Amino acid sequence: DAGVIQSPRHEVTEMGQEVTLRCKPISGHDYLFWYRQTMMRGLELLIYFNNNVPIDDSGMPEDRFSAKMPNASFSTLKIQPSEPRDSAVYFCASSWGTGGLGANVLTFGAGSRLTVL
Amino acid sequence: DQQVKQNSPSLSVQEGRISILNCDYTNSMFDYFLWYKKYPAEGPTFLISISSIKDKNEDGRFTVFLNKSAKHLSLHIVPSQPGDSAVYFCAASANNNDMRFGAGTRLTVKP
Repeated sequence: DAGVIQSPRHEVTEMGQEVTLRCKPISGHDYLFWYRQTMMRGLELLIYFNNNVPIDDSGMPEDRFSAKMPNASFSTLKIQPSEPRDSAVYFCASSWGTGGLGANVLTFGAGSRLTVL
Repeated sequence: DQQVKQNSPSLSVQEGRISILNCDYTNSMFDYFLWYKKYPAEGPTFLISISSIKDKNEDGRFTVFLNKSAKHLSLHIVPSQPGDSAVYFCAASANNNDMRFGAGTRLTVKP
């Protein structure tokens, strides 16, 4: 397995533009997470899915942010319109099951670095 | 609401000495704790974990200690090596797979 795959690795856009970040989780993992890393707040949980269903989106900062998981192998995080304060590294991670030591271990993608000018 | 806190943004130690990274949490429902290690331009990778029924877990040079009454955990690295230089994140979950992370501590191990 190639691990969690994120694209693009880097995105530079102008304020007001729509940004779409993509994630392919590890096959067989039934949990998918979106995190944002900033200097001030570290790794913030934005939203997570279980079996393609959003479970908790309380971390999504504003209505400008939306996430979807149309199937078990693909998820998107969209920002529309983007603002300079959205500049950060966005990580996708996946895991399997609940309970037990192995189930809670998240496997992260390499991240998408977003810069909004 | 920072439920997991790493109050030291950075730590520098000499090669061969012990590195101690600390983490505090506020949610008493957390029952599973993990440490992740992150190199530049990469995603965090799992390092070691501990469940709330234990107070210590050891894996080679890495040991995690959990003090539930103080809501505190720590990661000990002995002996520290230059390759251990990275950002270390503490994480916790409450059995619903809602994983919360601290802000991270940047460890530098000097040769």
